Amino acid sequence: KAGVTQTPRYLIKTRGQQVTLSCSPISGHRSVSWYQQTPGQGLQFLFEYFSETQRNKGNFPGRFSGRQFSNSRSEMNVSTLELGDSALYLCASSFFKREEGEQYFGPGTRLTVT
Amino acid sequence: GENVEQHPSTLSVQEGDSAVIKCTYSDSASNYFPWYKQELGKGPQLIIDIRSNVGEKKDQRIAVTLNKTAKHFSLHITETQPEDSAVYFCAASQGGKLIFGQGTELSVKP
Repeated sequence: KAGVTQTPRYLIKTRGQQVTLSCSPISGHRSVSWYQQTPGQGLQFLFEYFSETQRNKGNFPGRFSGRQFSNSRSEMNVSTLELGDSALYLCASSFFKREEGEQYFGPGTRLTVT
Repeated sequence: GENVEQHPSTLSVQEGDSAVIKCTYSDSASNYFPWYKQELGKGPQLIIDIRSNVGEKKDQRIAVTLNKTAKHFSLHITETQPEDSAVYFCAASQGGKLIFGQGTELSVKP
C-alpha cells in the first residue's frame, strides 16, 4: 500500500507571495492533518480535516488555510508569506474516525521563504 | 492546553546498550501517546503507541510504559543498533491533534 505523498517536495518562494501544498493520504484514510516543523518551535499542529470538514485547528494565523476534497486529498495554502514561514510542512493521514487514531506522516514539503 | 516535555534532548549510547527517553504531559484528558522516529530528510515514522487504558506495550526491541497518575510515559529501546540513530518524538493526543515533545537525538555508536 502506498504511503502518504506530498508535493512538491521542495519550494522556494519570496516574501509576500502565496503557496499551495498538496497531500494525498494513504488509500482508505479519510482524516488528514497538517503540521509545521521548525528547529525553534518543533512540530506544531496546523489543522485536521475529516470527510471534507475541518475538525480541528491549531494556533496559527488566518494566513494558513486548508481544504479537503471528496477523494480525501488535501491542500494547505499560506498567503502573504513571511520569512518565519520557512519550515518543513508535514501531512499525516489516519484511517480511524475517532480522534485517537494512528497518524502516518508523509515526507514533507520543505518551504523556503526569501 | 496540553504541553509535552521530553528528556533528554540528546542521548549517546554504545551499540547493544539500552536507551530510555522520557516524556511528561500536562492534560489528564490526553488518552493516546504515540512515538515517532525521524531520520534525516524524512517524515516522522510511527514506531509504537499506547492508549490510556494500557500500562505497557512491547514490540520486539521497543517498549513503551505509561503512568497516568504521574502523567509520564517512556520509550525503551533495548539492544540498540546503529540504525536506531535518529530523532525520536513523543506526542500526546488532545482531541485528535498531536502535541509533540521537542525531540531526542539518539546516537548509537558502533
